[in-house]
Amino acid sequence: GAVVSQHPSRVICKSGTSVKIECRSLDFQATTMFWYRQFPKQSLMLMATSNEGSKATYEQGVEKDKFLINHASLTLSTLTVTSAHPEDSSFYICSARSLNRTGGYTFGSGTRLTVV
Amino acid sequence: QKEVEQNSGPLSVPEGAIASLNCTYSDRGSQSFFWYRQYSGKSPELIMSIYSNGDKEDGRFTAQLNKASQYVSLLIRDSQPSDSATYLCAVRGTDKLIFGTGTRLQVFP
Repeated sequence: GAVVSQHPSRVICKSGTSVKIECRSLDFQATTMFWYRQFPKQSLMLMATSNEGSKATYEQGVEKDKFLINHASLTLSTLTVTSAHPEDSSFYICSARSLNRTGGYTFGSGTRLTVV
Repeated sequence: QKEVEQNSGPLSVPEGAIASLNCTYSDRGSQSFFWYRQYSGKSPELIMSIYSNGDKEDGRFTAQLNKASQYVSLLIRDSQPSDSATYLCAVRGTDKLIFGTGTRLQVFP
């Protein structure tokens, strides 16, 4: 089955630094990647949608200059949280979709970000 | 009105019982519906997808869709303690999945 590898699984960083999260589709080409954020006891909130080779589309209220998304290839998308603050601490999850696959979306295993 | 609504629960059922999880959505044009299970601290995993009105069964799970009522449900038969998790309803809008807030299910022995 389709697998999306997400790294790191956990990261602790100091306030003001930047953190990069990677998502790789291992056995299919991800034409579209979705980035979600989940705060404790809340649902997944879509942050942005990215298509390979084009700029990401951000949801309302998500700062594109703070959450940099790069989808330079069909197997790799990255989310960089710049100048992280404690309120950015959350569970970040990527999801990939391929036009060649029917059905649903494949999720990465998530990244627990803690900003101290 | 939220796009996808679920009762947050918790829904508590005894082991062996049927758990019934419900979801309503606002976009009448939606065509694809999904149920995900999420354990605490983990990523969601797909349980069922349903696209047509009626029932779809897979093992102990049955998804039901009623597009006229904009309602989708998930039945879990013979509930087990290992089924205790948060169940997320998701509706596909254009190309993205919109999630409900999830229903926390507790199955007690």
